[in-house]
Amino acid sequence: GNSVTQMEGPVTLSEEAFLTINCTYTATGYPSLFWYVQYPGEGLQLLLKATKADDKGSNKGFEATYRKETTSFHLEKGSVQVSDSAVYFCALSGSGGSYIPTFGRGTSLIVHP
Amino acid sequence: DTGVSQNPRHKITKRGQNVTFRCDPISEHNRLYWYRQTLGQGPEFLTYFQNEAQLEKSRLLSDRFSAERPKGSFSTLEIQRTEQGDSAMYLCASSSGARGQETQYFGPGTRLLVL
Repeated sequence: GNSVTQMEGPVTLSEEAFLTINCTYTATGYPSLFWYVQYPGEGLQLLLKATKADDKGSNKGFEATYRKETTSFHLEKGSVQVSDSAVYFCALSGSGGSYIPTFGRGTSLIVHP
Repeated sequence: DTGVSQNPRHKITKRGQNVTFRCDPISEHNRLYWYRQTLGQGPEFLTYFQNEAQLEKSRLLSDRFSAERPKGSFSTLEIQRTEQGDSAMYLCASSSGARGQETQYFGPGTRLLVL
């Protein structure tokens, strides 16, 4: 079946540091890949997505590239802010005839001033 | 567009009681999903509606769980004879567009505590 593996958290960084959160997946075919973010006290919301290999999704300074050869969709940001502190979820959908999304367990990011 | 809303936001119940949660999706969205999320985990799929039809249910979903979406608008999730293991956050999401590529819009969730 489909699965998504994210790096364990929490990830703790100082403001303006470079961020990478690793995400790898197992799926058949060519799923769509997503990053969702959950800020404290709020619901999950889409951060970015990519629907085919080599696509790059980007939003709010975050980027992720769909790498079919390494089955990865790592999230990066060049300079994090305190307001980026949240839980980040990698997800996939549209694999093996199923459109049900599969989520990773989430990675908590804590950014200190 | 007021977003996805869920009620109640919190529910405390005693083991063995029945509980019902409501989800109001974004009005133009034809798909509605229910998920369960426990601490330190991502959302786990429970069931999915397209309009009023319930098209998929998780194999992990106990017979004590039932969901409806009358008239393809709001949805309810009922848990009968609750158990302590049912304690979790229950999330609702709605979407529309190309299947497998669509963005899911999540509600704030209903946190259930079974004593």
